[in-house]
Amino acid sequence: GAVVSQHPSWVICKSGTSVKIECRSLDFQATTMFWYRQFPKQSLMLMATSNEGSKATYEQGVEKDKFLINHASLTLSTLTVTSAHPEDSSFYICSASDWGGGFRNEQFFGPGTRLTVL
Amino acid sequence: GDSVTQMEGPVTLSEEAFLTINCTYTATGYPSLFWYVQYPGEGLQLLLKATKADDKGSNKGFEATYRKETTSFHLEKGSVQVSDSAVYFCALSDRDSNYKLTFGKGTLLTVNP
Repeated sequence: GAVVSQHPSWVICKSGTSVKIECRSLDFQATTMFWYRQFPKQSLMLMATSNEGSKATYEQGVEKDKFLINHASLTLSTLTVTSAHPEDSSFYICSASDWGGGFRNEQFFGPGTRLTVL
Repeated sequence: GDSVTQMEGPVTLSEEAFLTINCTYTATGYPSLFWYVQYPGEGLQLLLKATKADDKGSNKGFEATYRKETTSFHLEKGSVQVSDSAVYFCALSDRDSNYKLTFGKGTLLTVNP
């Protein structure tokens, strides 16, 4: 149980285009989903926290207009990188948790999405 | 605020060697502690966790004990394998921080045959 998927696993796009990354909880309802960014050989940086049906909470320094997060259902959250530029190239990882279903204080991670902007 | 400090790598060991990766933390509340493992090109997998003092988390031969008196959660394995080569992250989650995970910087482990 507690499986999280991400799609796509990798994507290459041209500068100026937008890219959408999906994060799905496959066998549980995720009341909260988190989006992280990881630079090569570095730790994970939390970008934002999203609760189902409400606006995401962004960490300091993360542009909310650039990284659009939607958590429209209990099993799906999306991250859209708008007008992507080469500096947005990174590994994006989501995680999900269900505070009310016994997973309190534990997050389950997706496999990550490698974004390369040319 | 919360923080996690783990020993910097990279760590290179021979197969069957003993592994220790140190991790200490500071937290405002009473955190849960985690070790995650990341294999090349993949996301994070939970390796083990402990939710209260003196708890020992264990999985796949790895162990870590929640030491509140020393604010530590060191990862150990008695005999590493080549397949253990990965990046290991120590992390904590705290109710006072709304259960956000705070990660250490990660330690790259390479095990040679």
